[in-house]
Amino acid sequence: EAGVAQSPRYKIIEKRQSVAFWCNPISGHATLYWYQQILGQGPKLLIQFQNNGVVDDSQLPKDRFSAERLKGVDSTLKIQPAKLEDSAVYLCASRPTVNTEAFFGQGTRLTVV
Amino acid sequence: GQNIDQPTEMTATEGAIVQINCTYQTSGFNGLFWYQQHAGEAPTFLSYNVLDGLEEKGRFSSFLSRSKGYSYLLLKELQMKDSASYLCAVRETRGYALNFGKGTSLLVTP
Repeated sequence: EAGVAQSPRYKIIEKRQSVAFWCNPISGHATLYWYQQILGQGPKLLIQFQNNGVVDDSQLPKDRFSAERLKGVDSTLKIQPAKLEDSAVYLCASRPTVNTEAFFGQGTRLTVV
Repeated sequence: GQNIDQPTEMTATEGAIVQINCTYQTSGFNGLFWYQQHAGEAPTFLSYNVLDGLEEKGRFSSFLSRSKGYSYLLLKELQMKDSASYLCAVRETRGYALNFGKGTSLLVTP
């Protein structure tokens, strides 16, 4: 079974530029999460989708971050404009049903300079 | 909202036993997960507790007390490859969101 796919693996941008990350969850997984993990800390939930609907985006900085999952499969996370403090690993995870664990992708390491 | 606390760092000797504690406060508890994360890699699932008690999986065990808001991960017969960050995560009833603590960095020494 293929895992959660994310791209790109690494991205370096200047502050105030825009960036987008892509995630393709495991086939059939209805729930998709985006997390931000700053070096030395645990993952922080940014947004959770159930199929193509948003379940929780309470911690998403909506003035600069946006995410979509239009067809209930793959998802994109965008930052516009980026700030230095956005430097982190952005992890995507998915799970099939409620009482199962979430499976994580390898993440995208973003460096804002 | 949630508040999840774990020690920042721990050190243990190869072959020994180590216990990593996690305390949490949540408005709606729906399960507790432990993940392992090696540097530069994705978190991988270790264990899951939704009822009180001990769950054992090989060298790893996890315990939960819902009334105390407390869990621990027990690692036995430590190996060098167990050096990693261990993340405690609480799932909420609302939307089944999975929220993580800051992680415990475990160093296993010879």
